[in-house]
Amino acid sequence: EAGVAQSPRYKIIEKRQSVAFWCNPISGHATLYWYQQILGQGPKLLIQFQNNGVVDDSQLPKDRFSAERLKGVDSTLKIQPAKLEDSAVYLCASSLQGGNSPLHFGNGTRLTVT
Amino acid sequence: RKEVEQDPGPFNVPEGATVAFNCTYSNSASQSFFWYRQDCRKEPKLLMSVYSSGNEDGRFTAQLNRASQYISLLIRDSKLSDSATYLCVARGGFQKLVFGTGTRLLVSP
Repeated sequence: EAGVAQSPRYKIIEKRQSVAFWCNPISGHATLYWYQQILGQGPKLLIQFQNNGVVDDSQLPKDRFSAERLKGVDSTLKIQPAKLEDSAVYLCASSLQGGNSPLHFGNGTRLTVT
Repeated sequence: RKEVEQDPGPFNVPEGATVAFNCTYSNSASQSFFWYRQDCRKEPKLLMSVYSSGNEDGRFTAQLNRASQYISLLIRDSKLSDSATYLCVARGGFQKLVFGTGTRLLVSP
């Protein structure tokens, strides 16, 4: 089966600019996650979707981050305006209907904010 | 206190050694647990799920201790290719998956 697709792989922007990341989950996976992984740390959940509804966005900095999954399939994550501390790898993952289903990750987008 | 805590290491072991990592979780309602492996500059990949009865996959054994709220990963006969960061994951409320910071393993010849 095709894995989780993410783009772009790398992005370099200046602070205060905006950026968007795209993710297409594994076909049939109802749950989609966006994680932020800062160097040397474990992935931190930003937002979790179940189909096209938000299940958890408690750690999403909503003043600058937004995400959507309009048709319950692919998703975009946006940062506007970016800050230096947003430099990280943004990982998208998907799983079957939650429960005990493990996550399958995409390759991630490495963001550098200068 | 962090929801999931791991010793960051690194654990330096020679080839052929047995090494064990522990991971503690704070949410007693956590229902499922996983170990993921992450290579440098790569995405995390599922290593194994952790079941209440424990489970084994080749050289890897995972155990769950609900009373003490920790899970463990045992690697026997370490290979050079086992060098990676091992992430402990607990699923808590609202199906939220929480990752630890990872334990780095270095296997040397």
